[in-house]
Amino acid sequence: DGGITQSPKYLFRKEGQNVTLSCEQNLNHDAMYWYRQDPGQGLRLIYYSQIVNDFQKGDIAEGYSVSREKKESFPLTVTSAQKNPTAFYLCASSEDRGRNTQYFGPGTRLTVL
Amino acid sequence: EDQVTQSPEALRLQEGESSSLNCSYTVSGLRGLFWYRQDPGKGPEFLFTLYSAGEEKEKERLKATLTKKESFLHITAPKPEDSATYLCAVQGGSEKLVFGKGTKLTVNP
Repeated sequence: DGGITQSPKYLFRKEGQNVTLSCEQNLNHDAMYWYRQDPGQGLRLIYYSQIVNDFQKGDIAEGYSVSREKKESFPLTVTSAQKNPTAFYLCASSEDRGRNTQYFGPGTRLTVL
Repeated sequence: EDQVTQSPEALRLQEGESSSLNCSYTVSGLRGLFWYRQDPGKGPEFLFTLYSAGEEKEKERLKATLTKKESFLHITAPKPEDSATYLCAVQGGSEKLVFGKGTKLTVNP
């Protein structure tokens, strides 16, 4: 089955810790994205990547970092510099960043203790 | 700046009671308008992409339409399993998707 997987489903972090969220896709899509979803707000773009070894900041990149070493994988690290990291994180992919539909993974809920 | 406003924020329907959800947008150079369905605690599920005014797409009880200023998601004879949050997003010249806050639909049996 083709699709996007995210792990873990739930993640708990202590203050001051860095955590990494996994996103893998087997759709052979070039572009991948990370969004953050908070109650009562629309999805907000954190980072995106159009090609391996290249990525761009989205609207709310501060306190986050990413890598794109493989076409299939786009992990997101939430660093201790992110002031309010508790949220639902969604990974998406599309054939490219042009006129193409984005498909989403199941999400990771991060809670800071 | 591209903007999307969805209304109403929440909608309660009785099973079989048809209605419409609205997505109003402002965008520079529309590349596409997207509708997604999201169940609680899950990722958005793609429903439709519309590219130009006048375009319509259907899937089971759902029909999406597009004008130059807004899109409607029409739900005909809804069932309880149609209960979800419906998200609208637009893609303009920046290629970035801009999402609305969603409409939470509840269909009572």
